[in-house]
Amino acid sequence: GAVVSQHPSRVICKSGTSVKIECRSLDFQATTMFWYRQFPKQSLMLMATSNEGSKATYEQGVEKDKFLINHASLTLSTLTVTSAHPEDSSFYICSAQGQLNTEAFFGQGTRLTVV
Amino acid sequence: DAKTTQPPSMDCAEGRAANLPCNHSTISGNEYVYWYRQIHSQGPQYIIHGLKNNETNEMASLIITEDRKSSTLILPHATLRDTAVYYCIVLSGTYKYIFGTGTRLKVLA
Repeated sequence: GAVVSQHPSRVICKSGTSVKIECRSLDFQATTMFWYRQFPKQSLMLMATSNEGSKATYEQGVEKDKFLINHASLTLSTLTVTSAHPEDSSFYICSAQGQLNTEAFFGQGTRLTVV
Repeated sequence: DAKTTQPPSMDCAEGRAANLPCNHSTISGNEYVYWYRQIHSQGPQYIIHGLKNNETNEMASLIITEDRKSSTLILPHATLRDTAVYYCIVLSGTYKYIFGTGTRLKVLA
């Protein structure tokens, strides 16, 4: 299957700082990318959907000013967690989809720990 | 978005077929059923998807009932590496992949 690369795989940051997570589709052009958050022993929770060149659509309850998403090209989307707090510690996962109604491929995830 | 219901957990003996059910009784006519699995601390892995007909690939088979209200993912010869959480997702017109609680499959040696 197609490859989606997420970087970094792990990051530890201090409370109050910002962290950027990259998601790249390596062998296809992703018109749509999705960002998820997963807490321990829970399912993936969709945070936002981004389409290349347009603003991301955030799910209810997700603060768009705190979780900045940029989908500047067909192969790259970034999620920036701004002013991180310990409660933002989680497993963040991106996925990319080439065309609507086709399978989405997921990155390997980023484990964020805010201390 | 169509809701899916899966049993929270299942065990399967190594080498035997694992049959994972999913109920999606509110599915609409043009909504696809997708299956993914997540091995601990990794991103979900695509397995298979279908609309009406049964599907098979190198990983699994997908059996969709005629009324499309339920489906079954079949891993024909489960191995220890198939231990994971399996998610059944109905892809709606919004094209969002909404994950339910999934089925935690444990393959036993």
